[in-house]
Amino acid sequence: DSGVTQTPKHLITATGQRVTLRCSPRSGDLSVYWYQQSLDQGLQFLIQYYNGEERAKGNILERFSAQQFPDLHSELNLSSLELGDSALYFCASSVESGTGAFFGQGTRLTVV
Amino acid sequence: DAKTTQPPSMDCAEGRAANLPCNHSTISGNEYVYWYRQIHSQGPQYIIHGLKNNETNEMASLIITEDRKSSTLILPHATLRDTAVYYCIVKADSWGKLQFGAGTQVVVTP
Repeated sequence: DSGVTQTPKHLITATGQRVTLRCSPRSGDLSVYWYQQSLDQGLQFLIQYYNGEERAKGNILERFSAQQFPDLHSELNLSSLELGDSALYFCASSVESGTGAFFGQGTRLTVV
Repeated sequence: DAKTTQPPSMDCAEGRAANLPCNHSTISGNEYVYWYRQIHSQGPQYIIHGLKNNETNEMASLIITEDRKSSTLILPHATLRDTAVYYCIVKADSWGKLQFGAGTQVVVTP
């Protein structure tokens, strides 16, 4: 158990809909990262937040947005969903100095 | 962050040591070498990291060459549960984003 909690574990929704994925980081971790892993694709970095502020942005679509709240949990919002958005979405958290990032078990999103 | 090169796949016999190579010839002086693994569709799992010196923990050992252009992850006694994709990642600080490549698919066989 990495200490990073993601909910829900599975999500099935229709095209055009909007969903919210939630991530609770490890206690004390200020940084949260979001990654996408599509079938047969590698792990793609989406976005990083540090203590509520956006720190780095990767290949995140404009239809996607994220935020980190004062209690440090984070949400990834995916809107106008397309079939190609079906993927595993992972959240990770880390301290500023230490042993790197620890990942949650992911949310499997299926868009039908 | 420097790029890494890993073999796409490796087989290893159960109980034997698994030696996973990684080339990072453009690594800078302030960049760390990190190793993660991903067991089928689970979240990636941190294994070990290092800067210059060799490192060992309960999971594995990391050997970094003196010129730091390559490293080897050693799983001392591979088990079937070590079957996974192993990622070697180089990055400049301990909390920056991790850029995953294709990794090495390791299959441990009985």
